[in-house]
Amino acid sequence: GENVEQHPSTLSVQEGDSAVIKCTYSDSASNYFPWYKQELGKGPQLIIDIRSNVGEKKDQRIAVTLNKTAKHFSLHITETQPEDSAVYFCAASKDSGYSTLTFGKGTMLLVSP
Amino acid sequence: DGGITQSPKYLFRKEGQNVTLSCEQNLNHDAMYWYRQDPGQGLRLIYYSQIVNDFQKGDIAEGYSVSREKKESFPLTVTSAQKNPTAFYLCASSISSGSYEQYFGPGTRLTVT
Repeated sequence: GENVEQHPSTLSVQEGDSAVIKCTYSDSASNYFPWYKQELGKGPQLIIDIRSNVGEKKDQRIAVTLNKTAKHFSLHITETQPEDSAVYFCAASKDSGYSTLTFGKGTMLLVSP
Repeated sequence: DGGITQSPKYLFRKEGQNVTLSCEQNLNHDAMYWYRQDPGQGLRLIYYSQIVNDFQKGDIAEGYSVSREKKESFPLTVTSAQKNPTAFYLCASSISSGSYEQYFGPGTRLTVT
């Protein structure tokens, strides 16, 4: 089955700096790569996703890049703010039958004022 | 408002007792999921259902059971056979299984003593 590795497990930055979180996946058939943000005590929320026919996608301060050859994708947050502090999860899935999302173990991002 | 509700937010049980966690959605989604979240472990899939009266085991189904009698509802029972039931449980739904955004509920924190 699919295996998703996520790094780093924790990331501390100063407000205004950029943050990058990286994930690798094992199944070359995976074609959907979402990123979720989870605030303390709440359920995860989708912040951005990318499909395999696109190499990069941007939404204001966040962007995701995908390298299908190397089987890795990354989340980039620019001009970080304290409210960006949360746990971020990457995931991967494919279009087939009973396919489901496989999640990475998460990255705790702390943005200090 | 459309969304997913989970109740209760906190649940306490004595060891040896079965307990049922509620999950309801009014998004008209076909697929529903149950995840377990432990510190540093990310989201692990317990069970999922693509359609009413059908469900599939996830990665950690042992000690859990589900039913899908209605499209809107996907209750999870944590049985006494689950060796380490204390965890944060998340329910999610999506239009269909596979490469679609999953919408998460707020979660239920279960403590078994």
